[in-house]
Amino acid sequence: DSGVTQTPKHLITATGQRVTLRCSPRSGDLSVYWYQQSLDQGLQFLIQYYNGEERAKGNILERFSAQQFPDLHSELNLSSLELGDSALYFCASSGGVNSEAFFGQGTRLTVV
Amino acid sequence: QQQVKQSPQSLIVQKGGISIINCAYENTAFDYFPWYQQFPGKGPALLIAIRPDVSEKKEGRFTISFNKSAKQFSLHIMDSQPGDSATYFCAASDSNTGTASKLTFGTGTRLQVTL
Repeated sequence: DSGVTQTPKHLITATGQRVTLRCSPRSGDLSVYWYQQSLDQGLQFLIQYYNGEERAKGNILERFSAQQFPDLHSELNLSSLELGDSALYFCASSGGVNSEAFFGQGTRLTVV
Repeated sequence: QQQVKQSPQSLIVQKGGISIINCAYENTAFDYFPWYQQFPGKGPALLIAIRPDVSEKKEGRFTISFNKSAKQFSLHIMDSQPGDSATYFCAASDSNTGTASKLTFGTGTRLQVTL
């Protein structure tokens, strides 16, 4: 168990809908990272937050947004969902900006 | 796009054999090279990582070899066991940006260790 908790584990929703994925980092970790894992694109970095502020951005679509709250948990919001958004979404956390990251077990999103 | 190329895509090794997975990168700013292991239904878990100031790092049965001039690094799993059957990802990042875990991943290698 990495100590990173992601909810829900599975999510099935229809095209055009909006969902929120939640991540609780390991106790004391200030950095949260979001990754998308799909069959055609592999594991791709989406966005990083450090202590509530956006730190780095990757290949994140404009329809997607994230935030990190004062208690350090993070949410990834996905809107106007398309079939191609079906993927595993992982959250990882690290103690500092240059520390090892620990991954959660992921949320499997299926858009139908 | 800054890529990390990984090969082979899949690998079958007999129990007790050596598993070798190779990766090559393009971005010379990369200075942190971790390997992750992922079992079905689980998130990636860090196995071992290396920085360019050393050419080899060993932890138990796992060894990373690093060739800075060739921009290549590889994972060797000695005495491979059926429990090692998983997907392995190499990755790289530029830790000088303060985002060591903004990782660029390879495409993964599915390892199967047979009895």
